[in-house]
Amino acid sequence: EAGVAQSPRYKIIEKRQSVAFWCNPISGHATLYWYQQILGQGPKLLIQFQNNGVVDDSQLPKDRFSAERLKGVDSTLKIQPAKLEDSAVYLCASSYGLPTEAFFGQGTRLTVV
Amino acid sequence: DQQVKQNSPSLSVQEGRISILNCDYTNSMFDYFLWYKKYPAEGPTFLISISSIKDKNEDGRFTVFLNKSAKHLSLHIVPSQPGDSAVYFCAAKAGAGNTGKLIFGQGTTLQVKP
Repeated sequence: EAGVAQSPRYKIIEKRQSVAFWCNPISGHATLYWYQQILGQGPKLLIQFQNNGVVDDSQLPKDRFSAERLKGVDSTLKIQPAKLEDSAVYLCASSYGLPTEAFFGQGTRLTVV
Repeated sequence: DQQVKQNSPSLSVQEGRISILNCDYTNSMFDYFLWYKKYPAEGPTFLISISSIKDKNEDGRFTVFLNKSAKHLSLHIVPSQPGDSAVYFCAAKAGAGNTGKLIFGQGTTLQVKP
């Protein structure tokens, strides 16, 4: 069974630029999560999708972050404009439904300079 | 507010000895707890979990203990192996069913010395 795929693996951008991350969940997984992990901290949930609907985006900085999951499969997370404090690893995870059964991708390491 | 805390950023143990990683939480409504292991440049992988109705769960070399009155859980690894060297995150589930979410601690870096 293929795992959660994320791209790119690494990205370096200047502040105020925009960036997008892509996630392909495990086949059949209805629930998709985007987490932000800042160095020295644990992953923090940014947004959770159930199929193509948003379940929880309470911690998503909506003035600069956006996410979509068209057709209930792949998802993209966008940051525009980026700030220095957005430097982090962005993790995508998916599950059939429960967060306790989620599998994580390898993450995208973003550096904002 | 940090609802899940891992107060030890790092831990170093000798191969073959016991590793004990600790985690404290503040929300008594958490009903499920998990431990994840993370190697560099990889995503977290599930290690072991425990329901709030239990006080112990064991899987091979890994045992998780839950003390609800103290709002404390710990992960025991016996015996520790060099391959166990990684960052360990505890996480707690808030909310019910598919709308629940995981809240993670800051992580503890375990180094097992040969």
